[in-house]
Amino acid sequence: AQSVSQHNHHVILSEAASLELGCNYSYGGTVNLFWYVQYPGQHLQLLLKYFSGDPLVKGIKGFEAEFIKSKFSFNLRKPSVQWSDTAEYFCAVNEGTYKYIFGTGTRLKVLA
Amino acid sequence: GAGVSQSPRYKVAKRGQDVALRCDPISGHVSLFWYQQALGQGPEFLTYFQNEAQLDKSGLPSDRFFAERPEGSVSTLKIQRTQQEDSAVYLCASSLSGRSGNTIYFGEGSWLTVV
Repeated sequence: AQSVSQHNHHVILSEAASLELGCNYSYGGTVNLFWYVQYPGQHLQLLLKYFSGDPLVKGIKGFEAEFIKSKFSFNLRKPSVQWSDTAEYFCAVNEGTYKYIFGTGTRLKVLA
Repeated sequence: GAGVSQSPRYKVAKRGQDVALRCDPISGHVSLFWYQQALGQGPEFLTYFQNEAQLDKSGLPSDRFFAERPEGSVSTLKIQRTQQEDSAVYLCASSLSGRSGNTIYFGEGSWLTVV
């Protein structure tokens, strides 16, 4: 069955540190890839998405992600995190249907 | 409305009680989804509607779970004879169409605690 793995469950960083959150998926066909963010007390919001084309995708708030097909990965990055980036981040895969498969999430805490 | 609206936001139910969770999707959105998010987990697919048609209910955990969207807009997720394992956040999401890769927009969720 298709699955999404997020290996970092909790990450703690100081402000201005660089961030990379891992995401691997287990589907060999064409996929659409997403990162969603959930700020404390708020709903899930789309951060960025990859459908096709340039494998380096830029999203909101300075986030970017790189799709590496050979590694089945879609890691999220940000060069310099801010306290306001404290949130839970979810990677999701859509295999060409309406169904989204989510990872278990990574809780990021940024220390001021 | 501007976003997906869910009610109630918080519900405490006694074991065995029936509950109904309501979702008001973004106006004009054809597709509607229900997801279940247990503590420390990511959202898990429950069911999918395209307009009023329930095209996929493969994720519903048991026959105690029932969802409807009779007029292709508002949807209700009903859980009969609630059990403790039903405690979770129930997320509703909608998208403009069911085409793959369409962005789905989530509501804030209904937090269900079964005691």
